[in-house]
Amino acid sequence: QQQVKQSPQSLIVQKGGISIINCAYENTAFDYFPWYQQFPGKGPALLIAIRPDVSEKKEGRFTISFNKSAKQFSLHIMDSQPGDSATYFCAAPVPDSWGKLQFGAGTQVVVTP
Amino acid sequence: NAGVTQTPKFQVLKTGQSMTLQCAQDMNHNSMYWYRQDPGMGLRLIYYSASEGTTDKGEVPNGYNVSRLNKREFSLRLESAAPSQTSVYFCAGWAGSYNSPLHFGNGTRLTVT
Repeated sequence: QQQVKQSPQSLIVQKGGISIINCAYENTAFDYFPWYQQFPGKGPALLIAIRPDVSEKKEGRFTISFNKSAKQFSLHIMDSQPGDSATYFCAAPVPDSWGKLQFGAGTQVVVTP
Repeated sequence: NAGVTQTPKFQVLKTGQSMTLQCAQDMNHNSMYWYRQDPGMGLRLIYYSASEGTTDKGEVPNGYNVSRLNKREFSLRLESAAPSQTSVYFCAGWAGSYNSPLHFGNGTRLTVT
């Protein structure tokens, strides 16, 4: 039972465009929301993360928007570049666990030249 | 400084065969994890080890066993491989502070025929 639901499964965007990936969560005890980026043949790596006491966090061209009342958070990739082509996972820590993360299903992003 | 190293990178097994996936980290992490990645399913936790000498089941432990050999090494064993265990397996380490990231290896791609 996936407690973090991610959409879309894949998306294609032109260079310079905006990529938007959405995640919805069920457990209101989640209090930390990371996004991981994975390139082909590599393991996932932390891209950006947010805590629910802020509504937005920006790092370079990557922005997380957080809507606590709707239990949703999203990743925006501005001015998308071919080097951003990767699979992106949203996640949330399992409450009262020890470093365990619940991952979304993943979104494959392809940025065309 | 290699981070998290997994061996082998690729493996093909016949149904019923056994094998051990190896993972070693040089980041001095106390906690280590084994995830499997399947299309459309994201990453699912198989087993984890909060510290040397302890192991616990994750979301999908059936058919697997683990050994935390020492602080550096955490192995995953398939005693009798099944086609349903065809997947990409990732090992990860965690530093232990709440919002520190998981550090993943580059994975083992396993095919069971």
